[in-house]
Amino acid sequence: DIVMTQSPGSLAVSLGERATINCKSSQSLLYSSDNQNYLAWYQKKPGQPPKLLIYRASTRESGVPDRFSGSGSGTDFTLTISGLQAEDVAVYYCQQYFGLPPYTFGQGTKVEIK
Amino acid sequence: EMHLAESGGGRVQPGGSLKLSCSASGFTFTHTAMHWVRQAPGKGLEYISAIGSDGADTYYADSVKGRFTVSRDNDRNKLYLQMTSLKEEDTAVYFCSRGVDVWGQGTTVTVSS
Repeated sequence: DIVMTQSPGSLAVSLGERATINCKSSQSLLYSSDNQNYLAWYQKKPGQPPKLLIYRASTRESGVPDRFSGSGSGTDFTLTISGLQAEDVAVYYCQQYFGLPPYTFGQGTKVEIK
Repeated sequence: EMHLAESGGGRVQPGGSLKLSCSASGFTFTHTAMHWVRQAPGKGLEYISAIGSDGADTYYADSVKGRFTVSRDNDRNKLYLQMTSLKEEDTAVYFCSRGVDVWGQGTTVTVSS
């Protein structure tokens, strides 16, 4: 199984500042036939389902504010929140969906306001 | 609009059984692999099961293998998760999903004596 390692486990950022979350996979998520990385980022708030923010490592889901961006390729990926807003307080997860299941998640990163 | 809705959660004693359902609408269910993910209280997201579009291929995490069975009824656009020999550590919110983009609201399973 592909192991996903997220860092940091938590971070506190001032309103309007940048938050950066890293995700590393134990094997490449780059599919050679289409040159796409099968990595998604979610925002999870209590009592709600995961909300898809980014798919294929860098494509923002429709309706997601452009302060959320994803980057990276192969085994190393980053979610950046540029200009943290109060409503961004949540736990963020990466998930790989390369090939066949299991589509494993990172451990999560809790984002708080400093 | 694509929509998933779980049902069937509840409180059950250790060793008991429960069957979760997930109703799908707004997309071609028969063309789509489906997944179950759970979140125990205070824990992260755990990917536990999947089933291919025709039901022939299934996957189970080690934590549920041999106790949970995933199935689907493509005529009724429904996904199921039969849970047996439940343990207290199965207490969680269970989500069904269509890949990464469509998720249900979740149903809560509590295993406690």
